Formats: sequence, structure tokens, C-alpha cells
Amino acid sequence: TQLLEQSPQFLSIQEGENLTVYCNSSSVFSSLQWYRQEPGEGPVLLVTVVTGGEVKKLKRLTFQFGDARKDSSLHITAAQPGDTGLYLCAGLNNAGNMLTFGGGTRLMVKP
Amino acid sequence: GAGVSQSPSNKVTEKGKDVELRCDPISGHTALYWYRQSLGQGLEFLIYFQGNSAPDKSGLPSDRFSAERTGGSVSTLTIQRTQQEDSAVYLCASSSGPRGSGAGDIQYFGAGTRLSVL
Repeated sequence: TQLLEQSPQFLSIQEGENLTVYCNSSSVFSSLQWYRQEPGEGPVLLVTVVTGGEVKKLKRLTFQFGDARKDSSLHITAAQPGDTGLYLCAGLNNAGNMLTFGGGTRLMVKP
Repeated sequence: GAGVSQSPSNKVTEKGKDVELRCDPISGHTALYWYRQSLGQGLEFLIYFQGNSAPDKSGLPSDRFSAERTGGSVSTLTIQRTQQEDSAVYLCASSSGPRGSGAGDIQYFGAGTRLSVL
């Protein structure tokens, strides 16, 4: 069984601060996805990283896939209240037939 | 419809009763998934349907759980003799291709059904 550990589980910060969320595993994944889920909604895909060492930017969000494709990070610059939500990482196994989700990081950005 | 539709959005039931949860995937999507999400947690895979192939039921937690997908479209997840530990949000997702295909790697989620077993 492939496991993904996310840290921290909870994060409460002030508007304008920077933060980093981590997603770690002992397993290798063919790709890794990041989702954001708002209360009462389903998760929405933000980005997919595929290549070891890959960095993708989405406005103030920077996603990085580890060189060994076992871990990933999400960095948010100058967080805003609209960034509040549950951030989930999900790894696709090498066979491409199973997506495993991490436990999520619940982020609250206070104005 | 434009997105994945799930009904009901909320369901409160008594312990021991059966419940049916419905998922209407995006039109034309061949793959359909059910997940369970406990309060504020990650997603637990339950079952996967692809076209007319036999479903992957490897994530179903017990034989009280079953799912059908009729006509390759709408799916129903049934939980028999509900228990309090079944309380969770049940999410459905669909994708335009099978697992292992590029298109199949992108899943679109519904808003979920929040099940509360009293």
C-alpha cells in the first residue's frame, strides 16, 4: 500500500504570510496531483507534476516534485483569505491505475 | 450536465437502515469513481467503473457496501444496515478515459453526499 503523509495537518496564518505544505512518501509515483477542496464542495485539481524536480507555478502557488518522485511541496506566497481550504495531494502509481490521496492540509488565512 | 452531480447532498439515517447515494457523471465520461472522506480527511478509494468492464471493488470496506452503474452512466452506491462509522462524505468523480491513460488521470469531482448515521 502506498501512503502519502501531508504536513502540517492544520495551518492558520494571517493574510500576506507565506507558507509551505509538504507531501511525503516512501513510494515512487509516476505523477503527483494537488487539489483544493472548499467546504461543501468536491476537490478541484490545481496541478499535475510528472517529472522529478519539476516546478510549476500557478499565480502565487508554486508546486515542486521531488527529484526521486517520492515527495512534493506546495508553496503559497502572500496568502489571501481566498486561499482558505483543504489542500490534498494525490500520487498516481507507476502502473497508472491507482490514485492515492494524502490526509490533507487544512489552511485558514485570516484577513 | 456540466459537472458531476450527486444526490442527495445530505442524508440523515438511523443505524441499521439502508441508504442509496446517486452519482450522475459528466456526459461522455467512461470512468467513474466512488470515494469516502471522513471529516476533514483525505479520500479513501471505494470502487471504480470503466465502461462495461467489471468494476474494481478493491476499496469497498465491507460486504454491506455495493455499487452499480447502469447503462455506463448513472451510478448508485448502496450501504446496507448502516453503522455510525459509515458517517462521512461520499464523493463521486468521473474522467474521460480509463485509468492509466492521460485523460484518465484527471478526475472531476461532485460536491458529495454527506451521510450521517444516528
